[in-house]
Amino acid sequence: EAQVTQNPRYLITVTGKKLTVTCSQNMNHEYMSWYRQDPGLGLRQIYYSMNVEVTDKGDVPEGYKVSRKEKRNFPLILESPSPNQTSLYFCASTGSGRANEQFFGPGTRLTVL
Amino acid sequence: SQQGEEDPQALSIQEGENATMNCSYKTSINNLQWYRQNSGRGLVHLILIRSNEREKHSGRLRVTLDTSKKSSSLLITASRAADTASYFCATGSLTGGGNKLTFGTGTQLKVEL
Repeated sequence: EAQVTQNPRYLITVTGKKLTVTCSQNMNHEYMSWYRQDPGLGLRQIYYSMNVEVTDKGDVPEGYKVSRKEKRNFPLILESPSPNQTSLYFCASTGSGRANEQFFGPGTRLTVL
Repeated sequence: SQQGEEDPQALSIQEGENATMNCSYKTSINNLQWYRQNSGRGLVHLILIRSNEREKHSGRLRVTLDTSKKSSSLLITASRAADTASYFCATGSLTGGGNKLTFGTGTQLKVEL
């Protein structure tokens, strides 16, 4: 089944404790992206990757890092999480032949205390 | 930055009625897409309309695009209780590797029996 998976689905952590949210897709998509969703603000892009070893900042990249060592994986790293990073996070991927239609993961609900 | 703004923010209708949601945007686009999100879950792609198209249909969905007014509308005909969800418009641009989507803040649709 074609899908985007994220882990963990739920995470409660404390300020400053480094964490990684994994994202994996099995559709051989080149383009992957991370979003955060906050009430009243919709989805905002954090980082995106056009292909392996090619990443770039989205609209709200501060406090986040990403890497793209393999085509299928695109982890989101919070080196020193802060309470303002409490949010619902989505990973998405797009194939080059499917102009812009994005396939979303199920989401990761992160709470930083 | 917010590109799409949906209107209304919330809509409540009876089953069988039609639901219309509007989206306005600010800059030039390559395409516009509509996504659906059930509470707390990932977004699901509904329909894509390109900037050179004016209307598109998919099942009970009808999307229009007016690039001169920078606006789009999503019509769901003969609504069902299962259509209850949040609906987001997203504008696709040629920046960000050609796959950048900018989402609006969404319309919460509730279809009552």
